[in-house]
Parts: sequence; structure tokens; C-alpha cells
Amino acid sequence: DGGITQSPKYLFRKEGQNVTLSCEQNLNHDAMYWYRQDPGQGLRLIYYSQIVNDFQKGDIAEGYSVSREKKESFPLTVTSAQKNPTAFYLCASRALHGDQETQYFGPGTRLLVL
Amino acid sequence: KNEVEQSPQNLTAQEGEFITINCSYSVGISALHWLQQHPGGGIVSLFMLSSGKKKHGRLIATINIQEKHSSLHITASHPRDSAVYICAVRKGGSEKLVFGKGTKLTVNP
Repeated sequence: DGGITQSPKYLFRKEGQNVTLSCEQNLNHDAMYWYRQDPGQGLRLIYYSQIVNDFQKGDIAEGYSVSREKKESFPLTVTSAQKNPTAFYLCASRALHGDQETQYFGPGTRLLVL
Repeated sequence: KNEVEQSPQNLTAQEGEFITINCSYSVGISALHWLQQHPGGGIVSLFMLSSGKKKHGRLIATINIQEKHSSLHITASHPRDSAVYICAVRKGGSEKLVFGKGTKLTVNP
């Protein structure tokens, strides 16, 4: 089955620690995205990548970093500079068929600070 | 003011009722998406609209570009429709989506 996998499902971070959230897709999509979801708020874009070896900051990139060394993989690192990392993190990709686009989402990773 | 506003925030219905969720936006868009988020957190794409109306099973989505408004309708609602429904718009020429805060729907048996 094609889709997006994220791991782990739950992640605990200690003060001053960097943690990396995994996102893998086997859909052969070029565009991939990381979103953060907080209670009562809409999804907010952290980083996105339209092609391998290229990525751009989204609306809330401070305290986060990404890489896109392979088409299938788009890991997100939450650095110690992110002072309020507790949130639900969603990875997504986009499929384009003519003028139709479809968004695909992973199951998410819930990050909690110890 | 948010660029994408959804109403209502919360909606409770009885099984079988006709449901309408609204989305208004204040920017020029090239596409509007309706998404469904289940209690576990996973999100599924329901529709992408750039004009007119689309139907899939009991779900119908409409968009009025002039009025900057879209509606998602659910006919013959069922408890399994209970979820958060999210509207998102792609601003013209942008790679980014702007999301509404979602409408939490609960359908009671």
C-alpha cells in the first residue's frame, strides 16, 4: 500500500535536547510538507520541499530544521531553540494530476516535553 | 482576522440529519480543500475544488468563487462521520495552504 509513514507515534523531549521526527513516503511525490497542529488552531506550515535537495521555510520555521536527501524521506528536527515544541506534527505530500491536486497526510507524531 | 474562517466550530447532530459546514476565505485562491481528521489524528483529503460542485457518496462540496465561500454537506449523517472537518485554501500562485481551525462534528446514534 502506498502512503506516508511517520515515526514515532509519541516522542518525549527533554530540555535542551534535539529530536528528529521521521517521515517516509512511497508515493513518488515531489512535494512534501511539515505541519504543526496545536489545540484550537489550524495547521501551520513549518517547512516544505518541492524537490530533492531543496526546501523552504514555512510560516513557523524557527527552532526547526529539515533535510531532503532522498525523494522518499523528509525528516524534521526539533531543536533546543524551539521553546514550545509540544504539539502534534503532521507530514504531508501532494499529488498533482492535471489541474487536480490531492493532499496525503501521515498519521502524525505527538511530541511532548518532559 | 484569519484568512480562512469555518463555522460552526462545533456541531452535534442526530443520525440521519443533513449537515452543512461552512468555510469563508478572504484571499484570492486557486484551490480549496476539504479534509477530514479522525480522533486518532490522521487526516484524509475529501475534495479539492476550484469551481462548482463535487459529490462523493453522501458528501457534497460546493464553492462560490465570487462570494469566497464553500460549503461541505453530509446527507444521511452517521456516527462514523464524527470527525473534525478542515477547510484549506491555496492562495493563487502559492505553494502553501492556509488552514481553517476546523469544525468538530459529532453525530449521535
